[in-house]
Parts: sequence; structure tokens; C-alpha cells
Amino acid sequence: DAGITQSPRYKITETGRQVTLMCHQTWSHSYMFWYRQDLGHGLRLIYYSAAADITDKGEVPDGYVVSRSKTENFPLTLESATRSQTSVYFCASSQGTNVDIQYFGAGTRLSVL
Amino acid sequence: AQSVTQLGSHVSVSEGALVLLRCNYSSSVPPYLFWYVQYPNQGLQLLLKYTTGATLVKGINGFEAEFKKSETSFHLTKPSAHMSDAAEYFCAVKDFGNEKLTFGTGTRLTIIP
Repeated sequence: DAGITQSPRYKITETGRQVTLMCHQTWSHSYMFWYRQDLGHGLRLIYYSAAADITDKGEVPDGYVVSRSKTENFPLTLESATRSQTSVYFCASSQGTNVDIQYFGAGTRLSVL
Repeated sequence: AQSVTQLGSHVSVSEGALVLLRCNYSSSVPPYLFWYVQYPNQGLQLLLKYTTGATLVKGINGFEAEFKKSETSFHLTKPSAHMSDAAEYFCAVKDFGNEKLTFGTGTRLTIIP
């Protein structure tokens, strides 16, 4: 399917476990982003990537790892999940021109018990 | 650093009444401004954007927003609310040359029948 897809949509895990959230886009967009959405905070940027093999920290990167070996994929890994990482995670992509918009996936709801 | 303030985390209006959602930004130069909408259990969708040119911007579903540099505001309006407008609305800002978006904390719009 065309667009941007996230998997899984829902995930329950335990503290200390490693979790990987997947993001795949079919537009060949240069930029990809990971956000977390929490009540009272809106969306906060975790990491972003300008191209394959180029990643950079956002506002709240601690406890997260990303990689981008292929343009279309941008997985987010929680190396040792904590309860504070319970959140809804959104992936987005954009072409990377100044006036371009970001396109969002449907989100992954993660619960860390 | 860029910041966005959305006044009112919850707004309720009657069906058919005017919708006004407020957004103020902090920036030393006019930024690019966006309004996104999030329906329940979905990702964010672009409503409208301001980049350059006309300060009154029209978006989808009858929404519009006006960029007022003197007030550093980008308020979202719709003349007549519809039940389908019930959602969460996010204002976001992007600087020229920077692909990162900074989001406000969101406003949840409830429509009263």
C-alpha cells in the first residue's frame, strides 16, 4: 500500500525489554521523523533523519535509538523500556523542501508495564 | 528556540457556531505555520499552511487561518461548526531552512449538538 505505515499499532511490553517500532514509507521522501504524543505535551520530536545513514536527535532522544539503512524505513528502538516511555508514537515523512508538509502514520500505542 | 502556544486545551462550541482556535508563536522572523487535525485513533492530517504571500489561508473542510505578524498569531477559524469537526487540533511552526516542526500542545474541539 502506498503511504506511510507503522507497525505494530498496539504493543504491550514490560520494563527492561527491548522494543522496536517500525515505520515504512513508499514516497521516497528524504526526511523521516519520530514523535511521541503525551497528554499536555502535544507532539515532541524524538529523532529525525535527513537521508539514509543520516540521523539526528530531537527534543527527547534519551532512551531511544534509530537507524536508517534504507530510505523507506526508519525503525525506532527502545533499548530498555521504562514506564515513562508509555506513549503514542508517530512516524512522519517529508520531501525536505522548506514549504513541504509532513505526512503522518497512524501511530503506535505503546504500554510499558 | 521556537515555541508555539495554543490557548485553551479544550474548546466546546455548538453545532453551527463559529469555531475559533488560538495559536501564537515565538520567532524573530516570520516562520512557516501549519494547522494539523487529529481524529480519534488516527495520525495527523494537514488542514492548512502558511508559507509566504497571502496572509489569509484557506484549508480543507471550510477552515481558514490568518497570519498576523504584528500579533505573532495564526488563529484557526470556521464559520459554522459541524459534528464531524470534533477532533484535536495542533498548531505547528517551522523555520526557514529547518525541516523540524515544533508543535503546540493541542486543542481538543468538542461540538455540542
